[in-house]
Amino acid sequence: AQSVAQPEDQVNVAEGNPLTVKCTYSVSGNPYLFWYVQYPNRGLQFLLKYITGDNLVKGSYGFEAEFNKSQTSFHLKKPSALVSDSALYFCAVRSNDYKLSFGAGTTVTVRA
Amino acid sequence: NAGVTQTPKFQVLKTGQSMTLQCAQDMNHEYMSWYRQDPGMGLRLIHYSVGAGITDQGEVPNGYNVSRSTTEDFPLRLLSAAPSQTSVYFCASTPAMGQGMFEAFFGQGTRLTVV
Repeated sequence: AQSVAQPEDQVNVAEGNPLTVKCTYSVSGNPYLFWYVQYPNRGLQFLLKYITGDNLVKGSYGFEAEFNKSQTSFHLKKPSALVSDSALYFCAVRSNDYKLSFGAGTTVTVRA
Repeated sequence: NAGVTQTPKFQVLKTGQSMTLQCAQDMNHEYMSWYRQDPGMGLRLIHYSVGAGITDQGEVPNGYNVSRSTTEDFPLRLLSAAPSQTSVYFCASTPAMGQGMFEAFFGQGTRLTVV
């Protein structure tokens, strides 16, 4: 069985400060890892993915994530957060069978 | 390019009523799936399909049926609505592995309330 853990329900940061949202995973076989963002009353928007190759992947809106195989982690980062980054963030994992497993989500609040 | 389209966006049902949530994609993706989103629980997989004519159960299938008669459409049927099915439902499609993309594309969701 595969699973994702997002240990923080909420992350609060000041605008301009670095933002980190944590994610650890468990999966059989090679992991395909994803981050999605959800704004209020909207669907899920894809941010970035790790499939293979470089451990540091860059995505939309200045976000990046670091894949760490030994720690089975895929933390989302942004060097300088914006108020508009306030949203609900989901980490997800799948393997070759297409089925995605999601974490419970982390609510990010960026204060001006 | 519309992507994944879900209808309706909002629905209120009485306990015991049945209804179908519609999902259509125009990207020729093989894999389609339905999730429900509940506070603090992330998204949980209800049913999925790896191609026309093939469906299977996910993590929380009870009370729901699906069919996949075409590549484009993947409707979700609530057989006899219960208050526990109050949730936000998302349909997603994913391209086949050989198409070079791995991420799922999501519809805008259907907010269902069962009273």
